[in-house]
Amino acid sequence: ELVLTQSPGTLSLSPGERVTLSCRASQSVSNNYLAWYQQKPGQAPRLLVYGASTRVIGIPDRFSGSGSGTDFTLTISRLEPEDFAVYYCQQYGSSPYTFGQGTKLEIK
Amino acid sequence: QVQLQESGPGLVKPSETLSLTCTVSGYPISSGYYWGWIRQPPGKGLEWIGTIYHSGSTYYNPSLQSRATISVDTSKNQFSLKLSSVTAADTAVYYCVRRGAFYYVAYWGQGTLVTVSS
Repeated sequence: ELVLTQSPGTLSLSPGERVTLSCRASQSVSNNYLAWYQQKPGQAPRLLVYGASTRVIGIPDRFSGSGSGTDFTLTISRLEPEDFAVYYCQQYGSSPYTFGQGTKLEIK
Repeated sequence: QVQLQESGPGLVKPSETLSLTCTVSGYPISSGYYWGWIRQPPGKGLEWIGTIYHSGSTYYNPSLQSRATISVDTSKNQFSLKLSSVTAADTAVYYCVRRGAFYYVAYWGQGTLVTVSS
């Protein structure tokens, strides 16, 4: 099973700051089939990026995904108050399709 | 706009079968895409359970394959999950979802909490 490790577990930041979230895979993710989701308390996750770098229509362009192989990142160029949430990466290159354990962005 | 809504008992006894239904609106299941279930234990991460195509073709997470059954009723635009022999470890929020072009999730239901307890 391909394991995804997200780091750090929690980040305390202020609105306006730039942040880069890391997702590292235990083996290469086939075809860079990696997605990122945002989840707010009491809500379902929301798809932000798929294919490592393709942003979903309607997602603000301050969100960008990059990476390949085993190392992937999600960058938020300038944090807005509504961006404070938990972020998950997910690989869908090989079964079972697994998620990382999440990174929580909290307001400093 | 595709919308998914889970329904089913919020409390299931250990060793019994968990049964949930997802009602889809805004898109006919028979038109395509894969539909499925993901769960999230309280305070924890996400786990794919499995998916189904309108033809009945299924995929299951190998860790749950022996206990999970997903079925589809295109006449009602619904699909369902049955998970047998549940334990406390199956306590989770269960989401019904529509897959994207591949195994990422494009649409989510709001989720329903199922607690396994006597």
